[in-house]
Amino acid sequence: AQSVTQLGSHVSVSEGALVLLRCNYSSSVPPYLFWYVQYPNQGLQLLLKYTSAATLVKGINGFEAEFKKSETSFHLTKPSAHMSDAAEYFCAVIGGSQGNLIFGKGTKLSVKP
Amino acid sequence: DAGVTQSPTHLIKTRGQHVTLRCSPISGHKSVSWYQQVLGQGPQFIFQYYEKEERGRGNFPDRFSARQFPNYSSELNVNALLLGDSALYLCASSLREAAYEQYFGPGTRLTVT
Repeated sequence: AQSVTQLGSHVSVSEGALVLLRCNYSSSVPPYLFWYVQYPNQGLQLLLKYTSAATLVKGINGFEAEFKKSETSFHLTKPSAHMSDAAEYFCAVIGGSQGNLIFGKGTKLSVKP
Repeated sequence: DAGVTQSPTHLIKTRGQHVTLRCSPISGHKSVSWYQQVLGQGPQFIFQYYEKEERGRGNFPDRFSARQFPNYSSELNVNALLLGDSALYLCASSLREAAYEQYFGPGTRLTVT
């Protein structure tokens, strides 16, 4: 069964510092992986997705993620954090018997001035 | 173009009552999925409808039901509300049946007292 695990429920960085949010997946088949962002009191916005094309995926707002099969990882990075990046980030995989999205528990990103 | 819309935005109900949540997908999208997001957790899949037929159901009790209308809008119904049903209910739409690119609405915050 497919699943994702997000390491670290809360990550704090300084403005301008590197953002690294970790996600490991478990899948018996080539996975389709996603990162979503949720701002307070809002729904989820798709940041980027991996669908077995390029292993380095570029998304919106300067984020990117690299699919590493050998490490079963799909970590999200951004070279320089901005205050507006403060939000909760969810890693997800398509799985289940219905091919629905299965989400991790989320990582809350705080950005210090 | 309008995104996914949900109504109401907030709702307070008493234990044992019934609730109906509504979702309008992005124009042209034929698939609607419902997710429950309990505070501090990632969203959990409840239902998917495609072309007005149920295509998937998550691990939720029969108190939860849904339907999709000819215009592809959808309703989620929950009977005999429990305190544990308090959550953000998210609707997502996609062009096709598969969940490769789902667009989420802002959610309905349900509080059961």
